[in-house]
Amino acid sequence: KAGVTQTPRYLIKTRGQQVTLSCSPISGHRSVSWYQQTPGQGLQFLFEYFSETQRNKGNFPGRFSGRQFSNSRSEMNVSTLELGDSALYLCASSQKSRGETQYFGPGTRLLVL
Amino acid sequence: QQQVKQSPQSLIVQKGGISIINCAYENTAFDYFPWYQQFPGKGPALLIAIRPDVSEKKEGRFTISFNKSAKQFSLHIMDSQPGDSATYFCAASRVDSWGKLQFGAGTQVVVTP
Repeated sequence: KAGVTQTPRYLIKTRGQQVTLSCSPISGHRSVSWYQQTPGQGLQFLFEYFSETQRNKGNFPGRFSGRQFSNSRSEMNVSTLELGDSALYLCASSQKSRGETQYFGPGTRLLVL
Repeated sequence: QQQVKQSPQSLIVQKGGISIINCAYENTAFDYFPWYQQFPGKGPALLIAIRPDVSEKKEGRFTISFNKSAKQFSLHIMDSQPGDSATYFCAASRVDSWGKLQFGAGTQVVVTP
């Protein structure tokens, strides 16, 4: 099976812009979670989607949002970008949701200038 | 507040030696404890995982030891190889938390030839 894919792999934006990142889960996986990874804060949970419904959300401002489509593909959007949003954004998929192994994609490296 | 505390931050081990990474948690509702390995430019990859009803789990050169009463768990890498040089993360999730993994801060392991 193909692994989790994320596009684009690298992105450079300027402050105030918005960005959309895409994630395609492993075939058959219905749960998609998003994480932000930075050197200072480590890996932090953003949100989780299952069957097109957001079921869990981390402690991030409303500028961070996401959605999931009927084919389980997911997108996350960050509006009004700030310098501190520069990070590696990781998507992970699992078959169900709770207590299941999560498989991570390679991430999207976002740089905000 | 970091719910999973990981130590050491970094360690250097000689080829053939044993790498030991420790994690501690406070929330007794956690019931799934995975370890992930991450190479530069890649997403985290699951190494091994354990649930609280088991005190030890071994897969190849990797062993998790779990102490439920002390709320601690550790990863042992036996016969460490230069290819094991990576960052290792412990994590934990709750039975009632959809898709949310709480990660430790990570340990950078360097295996010298």
